[in-house]
Amino acid sequence: DVKVTQSSRYLVKRTGEKVFLECVQDMDHENMFWYRQDPGLGLRLIYFSYDVKMKEKGDIPEGYSVSREKKERFSLILESASTNQTSMYLCASSSGQGALGETQYFGPGTRLLVL
Amino acid sequence: AQKITQTQPGMFVQEKEAVTLDCTYDTSDQSYGLFWYKQPSSGEMIFLIYQGSYDEQNATEGRYSLNFQKARKSANLVISASQLGDSAMYFCAMREYLLGGYNKLIFGAGTRLAVHP
Repeated sequence: DVKVTQSSRYLVKRTGEKVFLECVQDMDHENMFWYRQDPGLGLRLIYFSYDVKMKEKGDIPEGYSVSREKKERFSLILESASTNQTSMYLCASSSGQGALGETQYFGPGTRLLVL
Repeated sequence: AQKITQTQPGMFVQEKEAVTLDCTYDTSDQSYGLFWYKQPSSGEMIFLIYQGSYDEQNATEGRYSLNFQKARKSANLVISASQLGDSAMYFCAMREYLLGGYNKLIFGAGTRLAVHP
């Protein structure tokens, strides 16, 4: 089974803090994704990566950056947290191989509260 | 731009009955894929079922089936014999191709399903 883990289930941070959200997958997947989920808006893509050290902006990259130094690890960084970044953050990975290669497998999510 | 629409914010169903969750999509691509995910209160998104645009048969996975009507651009999820554990948010998603050969998923707003005993 695919296993995607996220470093924290719940986080409380203060405005202006630098926040790191870590994601690790154990299936040697090429592709990794970061989403945020807000009520009524579904999931929105922040950043994604198709290879080590490679990153692409998603639909809402402003205020975020990412790092992928190793294939299995994809980090989301909030350089200076703001209250409007209070949200649920979900990490996902996919193999990119074959007909079902775009199927994304998700971690348990991190609920971030910025005060 | 591609879009996924789920018009039912919430649905109720009696245990052991079947329920249909609606999903319509908008795309000009000929090749695309449609996905359904389940999100229990714990928060994790669980992949349920996939339908490719060229698949002639409707996809099925256990109690889940996808009612794919290409001309109507709909991909409704049917859950047969509902169980209490089916209570969750359900998201419909579509693959969107990007420049450079990459692709991403676009998600609908979701439908919250409550199964009553």
